[in-house]
Amino acid sequence: EAQVTQNPRYLITVTGKKLTVTCSQNMNHEYMSWYRQDPGLGLRQIYYSMNVEVTDKGDVPEGYKVSRKEKRNFPLILESPSPNQTSLYFCASRKLANPPGEQYFGPGTRLTVT
Amino acid sequence: LAKTTQPISMDSYEGQEVNITCSHNNIATNDYITWYQQFPSQGPRFIIQGYKTKVTNEVASLFIPADRKSSTLSLPRVSLSDTAVYYCLVGDFISSGSARQLTFGSGTQLTVLP
Repeated sequence: EAQVTQNPRYLITVTGKKLTVTCSQNMNHEYMSWYRQDPGLGLRQIYYSMNVEVTDKGDVPEGYKVSRKEKRNFPLILESPSPNQTSLYFCASRKLANPPGEQYFGPGTRLTVT
Repeated sequence: LAKTTQPISMDSYEGQEVNITCSHNNIATNDYITWYQQFPSQGPRFIIQGYKTKVTNEVASLFIPADRKSSTLSLPRVSLSDTAVYYCLVGDFISSGSARQLTFGSGTQLTVLP
């Protein structure tokens, strides 16, 4: 089954404790992206990647890091989480094609930073 | 970066046709228009995508006027299960090989009443 998986689905942590949220897709997609969703603000893009070793900042990259060492994986790293990073996070992937086609989203990771 | 504007919320009754309009005045030549549906605490799900004129699939139609500065998502005969947030997304990845960010707006909360 074609899918994007994220782990963990729920995470409660404390300020300053480094964490990684994993994202993996099994569709051989070139493009992957991370979004955060906060009430009233819709979905905001954090980082995206056009392919292996190619990443770029989205709208709200501060406080986050990403890496793309393999095509299928795109982990989101919070080196020193703060309470303002409490949010619902989504990973997404899609092929680089014309027309663009759809983005496939993961189930989400609900992060709480205390 | 094409910014989109949608109504914050809409109400409808079961069995009615619903039209949600999105404004995107600074759409670029290569940009496609994509609509997503999102239920609470789930990842967005692709509905339909188009470039110009009209596109129809099994769940919706997308109307795009000649100037492409707006688009309208049409949902025929909605049911209670269509209650969700609908996002209009404008962007493209294949622009002279350069990456472009995709930004979701705040979306339209559609509530279908019995």
